[in-house]
Amino acid sequence: EAAVTQSPRNKVAVTGGKVTLSCNQTNNHNNMYWYRQDTGHGLRLIHYSYGAGSTEKGDIPDGYKASRPSQENFSLILELATPSQTSVYFCASGEELGGRYAEQFFGPGTRLTVL
Amino acid sequence: SQLAEENPWALSVHEGESVTVNCSYKTSITALQWYRQKSGEGPAQLILIRSNEREKRNGRLRATLDTSSQSSSLSITATRCEDTAVYFCATDRNVGDNSKLIWGLGTSLVVNP
Repeated sequence: EAAVTQSPRNKVAVTGGKVTLSCNQTNNHNNMYWYRQDTGHGLRLIHYSYGAGSTEKGDIPDGYKASRPSQENFSLILELATPSQTSVYFCASGEELGGRYAEQFFGPGTRLTVL
Repeated sequence: SQLAEENPWALSVHEGESVTVNCSYKTSITALQWYRQKSGEGPAQLILIRSNEREKRNGRLRATLDTSSQSSSLSITATRCEDTAVYFCATDRNVGDNSKLIWGLGTSLVVNP
């Protein structure tokens, strides 16, 4: 069973519209992440969370909000979508336990096009 | 410049050949991870190698780590078409803090029949 799922898998939005990308994980990991992936930029961290109720800014948070209402769910919100936010978005979960090294488990991605 | 960087940026081999992807990084690390991303999928971890390890194997995969030169390599032997993917190295951002990773831009590997 897929442990990290994302919805929708594809989304076309209009400039200025609101977009919500959803992520669900069944790994029971405390940490969750949102990345975007663009050619030439690799994976860039937008927001992350250490647990329910927590959100932290990553490297490129401008124009994005995040919400972590539960251990399992982590959403990425684009309040006013712009064409520059056209990208593939990946959600991941991971666990960093003291002395252990965390592996991140990725979802299949959401392809977002903002027209 | 990138804090982690793979090279070359692209490779093409024939099935059965061996191939090596290299990674250089610029920070002190406690571990380095290699991930593979197939087309249309998210990345998936292949190997994690700790800073006190010099070599790690996983089936046809072999990773090495040289902390003195801040470099790592991932070798794949007897390549198969299904090894076609982008290969990333990723390191922890701060020593002992693995909650966030530094990612390279990846090496694109194509394995031809």
